Formats: sequence, C-alpha cells, structure tokens
Amino acid sequence: GPKVLQIPSHQIIDMGQMVTLNCDPVSNHLYFYWYKQILGQQMEFLVNFYNGKVMEKSKLFKDQFSVERPDGSYFTLKIQPTALEDSAVYFCASSLPDWGNYAEQFFGPGTRLTVL
Amino acid sequence: GDSVTQTEGLVTLTKGLPVMLNCTYQTTYSPFLFWYVQHLNEAPKLLLKSSTDNKRTEHQGFYATLHKSSSSFHLQKSSVQLSDSALYFCALSDRGYAQGLTFGLGTRVSVFP
Repeated sequence: GPKVLQIPSHQIIDMGQMVTLNCDPVSNHLYFYWYKQILGQQMEFLVNFYNGKVMEKSKLFKDQFSVERPDGSYFTLKIQPTALEDSAVYFCASSLPDWGNYAEQFFGPGTRLTVL
Repeated sequence: GDSVTQTEGLVTLTKGLPVMLNCTYQTTYSPFLFWYVQHLNEAPKLLLKSSTDNKRTEHQGFYATLHKSSSSFHLQKSSVQLSDSALYFCALSDRGYAQGLTFGLGTRVSVFP
C-alpha cells in the first residue's frame, strides 16, 4: 500500500541546536500532518498543512516549530532552537482531500529525536 | 476538549483465544472513531474506522461497533494469531475531514504460542 517515509529514523542533537525532520508523503496526497509522541504518552497532534499553509495547530506547536513543503519536495518540521522537552518520536502523516467524508491518514514510521 | 481512553496497557494471551481491547471517548461533536495497529519498527496503519452508530465494521478478522450511547468503540477478534502481536491505538476525530486525530495511550498485545 501507500507508504510515507521519514528521514532520519533517529536524530541526536544538543539542546539549542536546530533540527529538521523530513517526511516524504504519499505522492498524490495533499494534506500533511505532524504528531509528537513522548515516551509512555499518547501520540499528540501538532499541525496540519495544505496548499502551502498551516491549517490547524495545537498548543504543542510552539513558536520554535515551523513546517514547510517547498516545491513538492519533503514536508519538513523544523525546530529552532531545540529544548530537552522536544525529545520524542515525531510521526508524519498524509492524506487525500475527501470532502464530506474521512480521508485515511497514512503514517510514517517516525523519527526518534533525542535532545541532549 | 476531545479525549480517548484505553484502559489496558498490555494484554497477553495465547494463540487462538479471543481478545477485546477497550476504547471509550469524549467529544461534544459527532465522532469518527479509528483503530490503528503498529507492528514493531513499522508505521501505524489504519485497521478499522466508523462514524455510524450501532453498525459493526470488520477488517482482517478484527471487528468493532461504534456505540454513541456509551461512547465506546471496542476492538475484538475471535481468535488471535501470533502476527497480531502489536500496539493498537484507538483514535478520534470530531470532524473527520483532514483534522488532527486524538489518540489513546495504546494497548500492547502480545500473543504466545
């Protein structure tokens, strides 16, 4: 079936540095999402993105976070600067538009971010 | 805000036995409920979905019925296999369309021979 890829699978950085997490969504999908899962907690929605714009973001989506998808390439989550509490697994998802119904979100395997 | 509760953190059972994973939710809107399954080192995948009250939905031997009266969407299977060992997440959308999902904590299922 359709696959979402995430690069890298694991990233270790020092607090205060910038990090970019990359997501290669399903090729014909138009909606993109980031979720965050801290160890032992549930996966939580961060942001969704459509047509070059943030559509919706949660309170977890701090000012230090930004997302973009330049020219149909990777959908990225950038954190600048990073903090210790940003250590988590970040999942990317994508979906088709499906007005009036639910469009399945396809998830990637996650990027484990460790901030030291 | 919305919330999803999964009461079991870990379920261990023997191959061939039935399983039920509990999921209850809270929302003030009309709910869409989902079960996602995540095998080790893989991406979460959609297993079941429903927005229709009292209608059973089935896929790959798993089934669930959305009961709006009790705000529940329990996942069941009549005979588990070794390959069913995985992490199962219940998730909620109160709009359905391109919205961020609200997840439960997940239930890890371990099936032994």
